[in-house]
Amino acid sequence: ETGVTQTPRHLVMGMTNKKSLKCEQHLGHNAMYWYKQSAKKPLELMFVYNFKEQTENNSVPSRFSPECPNSSHLFLHLHTLQPEDSALYLCASSQDGFWTGVVNEQFFGPGTRLTVL
Amino acid sequence: GEDVEQSLFLSVREGDSSVINCTYTDSSSTYLYWYKQEPGAGLQLLTYIFSNMDMKQDQRLTVLLNKKDKHLSLRIADTQTGDSAIYFCAPSMNYGGSQGNLIFGKGTKLSVKP
Repeated sequence: ETGVTQTPRHLVMGMTNKKSLKCEQHLGHNAMYWYKQSAKKPLELMFVYNFKEQTENNSVPSRFSPECPNSSHLFLHLHTLQPEDSALYLCASSQDGFWTGVVNEQFFGPGTRLTVL
Repeated sequence: GEDVEQSLFLSVREGDSSVINCTYTDSSSTYLYWYKQEPGAGLQLLTYIFSNMDMKQDQRLTVLLNKKDKHLSLRIADTQTGDSAIYFCAPSMNYGGSQGNLIFGKGTKLSVKP
C-alpha cells in the first residue's frame, strides 16, 4: 500500500460513454499527477496539480478533463474516447518542496486499466 | 524536450548481477530516480541519486551516475526471482524553483531465471 488509491481498477467503455477515474491520496501531499502508460511507450505525464492548481498539461486531448477539488482527490473525466486511449492510467502524488531540499518522491497508485471499444 | 533511453529487456540468472543502463538529455536534473513496477501494480521508488554524486550504494543496489555522459545505471547484486519487474529511469526536470516533474524512460523489463 502506497497511500494512493485509484478506482476503478478496471474499466471498459464504449467510444460514446462518459466515465470518470478517481484518485485519492492519504499522505498529506500537495502535488498530484496523472500518467498514461501504454505498451512499449514511455510513461507519459498528462496533468500535474500543485496546491490544487493545474501547473502542467502536456498537450492532452480535450476528451480528457482533469479535476482537483482538493489536495487529496484527483479525477480524470473521460468522454468520446478512442481505442488508442486504451492504457493503464496511473495517479501519483508527492510533496513538492525544492526549496526545502525535499526529495520529490512520487507515490503511485495501482492504476486503472482502461479499455475503449 | 527531455529524452530518456533504456533498453527494453534484460534477462539474467538468479544469483548473477543485473545492470540496467539509462541515458538522458536534460543536464539540469537535480535528482535521478529508479522506479520499479511489479506486475499489476503502480511504480514504486527504488532508489535515487543526487546530481552531485557519482555513486550511491544501498544494500544490493548500486547507482552510478556519469553526468558528463548523461548516463545512469542501476546494478542489482545477487539478483533474485523477486527482482523480476520493469525498472524505470526517471531524471527530474527543474523549473521555477521546484524540483519539477519526472521524465520516464520506456522501462527495462528484468527477467530473472532460476
